[in-house]
Amino acid sequence: DIQMTQSPSSLSASVGGRVTITCRASQDISISLAWYQQRPGKAPKLLLYAASRLESGVPSRFRGSGSGTDYTLTISSLQPEDFATYYCQQYYSTRVTFGQGTKLEIK
Amino acid sequence: QVQLVESGGGLVKPGGSLRLSCAASGFTFSDYYMSWIRQAPGKGLEWVSYISSSSTYTNYADSVKGRFTISRDNGKKTLYLQMTGLRAEDTAVYYCARATNERVFDYWGQGALVTVSS
Repeated sequence: DIQMTQSPSSLSASVGGRVTITCRASQDISISLAWYQQRPGKAPKLLLYAASRLESGVPSRFRGSGSGTDYTLTISSLQPEDFATYYCQQYYSTRVTFGQGTKLEIK
Repeated sequence: QVQLVESGGGLVKPGGSLRLSCAASGFTFSDYYMSWIRQAPGKGLEWVSYISSSSTYTNYADSVKGRFTISRDNGKKTLYLQMTGLRAEDTAVYYCARATNERVFDYWGQGALVTVSS
């Protein structure tokens, strides 16, 4: 299976700030990458797919980029509702896999 | 609007069985692949299984292969997960999710908690 490694595992930031989360795949996944947000006690929510395509209804302050094995999620102008856990997921392989998650906390 | 509602979770002893259901509404269920994804307490997401729109194709994570069976009833717009030989490490919230053609999960249910303990 393709391994997905996220970094950092946690980080803190201020409202209005900007953060970047990294996801590295164990092999080239050809931008077959999605990002999800999960708030405590809630189901995950799809944010982006194909590495950089924004899901309908998701604010433009969420931006994805990357290619090959390395991908990033950048969140600008952080809002209180953005403090959550974020997961990357590869779907290049039929056996999809997720990163271990990055918890974003308020500073 | 798209809704996915899981049911059937609960407490079961090691070695026991349980069947989860996921009732779908707000979209043409028979057009979509569907999947089960789980999350152990305090842990990350783990894909469990998925099934094609007409049940022709199924796939399972190694951790559940041979013990879990995914199925669907398009007439009832319902997805199932039959779980047998349950182990403590199967304890998790189980989510059903709608999958796009590319295996991206665009809608999720609220989850059903399965606890395996004696």
